[in-house]
Amino acid sequence: AQTVTQSQPEMSVQEAETVTLSCTYDTSESNYYLFWYKQPPSRQMILVIRQEAYKQQNATENRFSVNFQKAAKSFSLKISDSQLGDTAMYFCAVASGTYKYIFGTGTRLKVLA
Amino acid sequence: NAGVTQTPKFQVLKTGQSMTLQCAQDMNHEYMSWYRQDPGMGLRLIHYSVGAGITDQGEVPNGYNVSRSTTEDFPLRLLSAAPSQTSVYFCASSYDTLDNEQYFGPGTRLTVT
Repeated sequence: AQTVTQSQPEMSVQEAETVTLSCTYDTSESNYYLFWYKQPPSRQMILVIRQEAYKQQNATENRFSVNFQKAAKSFSLKISDSQLGDTAMYFCAVASGTYKYIFGTGTRLKVLA
Repeated sequence: NAGVTQTPKFQVLKTGQSMTLQCAQDMNHEYMSWYRQDPGMGLRLIHYSVGAGITDQGEVPNGYNVSRSTTEDFPLRLLSAAPSQTSVYFCASSYDTLDNEQYFGPGTRLTVT
């Protein structure tokens, strides 16, 4: 079975600081994709960043970057220079096969002014 | 583009009633899916479709039906509502490979009493 674990239910960070959200997963598939989605209080789900498992280079998108450790099945999200607008629920997800999407239970991040 | 639209935004049903949640997208996406979001459980895939006329079950399909007669529309039917189906429901769409971003609708909050 494919599983995704986010072990930090809640986190907080000071504005302009850096925070890392952890995600571990388990899959028997050799080809899969990893995602971080953000859900602000508006409830709208928004893609933050994606990573192909076959790529060794870690993905980056502006202030967002990942630390992908394939052997350890770890996919953490680093947010640099945190902004108040980063306050949201963050979900890690793994996709494989025909359409096998598994989401983690989420980490609620609060950015403090 | 309107993106992914869902109706209604809120709904209250009595146990045993049936209803259809509507989902439409105007991006010509082949892939569409339905998720439910429950506190502490992240998003769970209910049903998905990889093209018009093709549907399949996700992780939690019991009590729900879908059909995909057009590329644009992917309605979710609750056959006989139960309190366990109280949840927030999201529709999503994407281009036809797993590495693509899923675009989510705004969600429908359903309460079954």
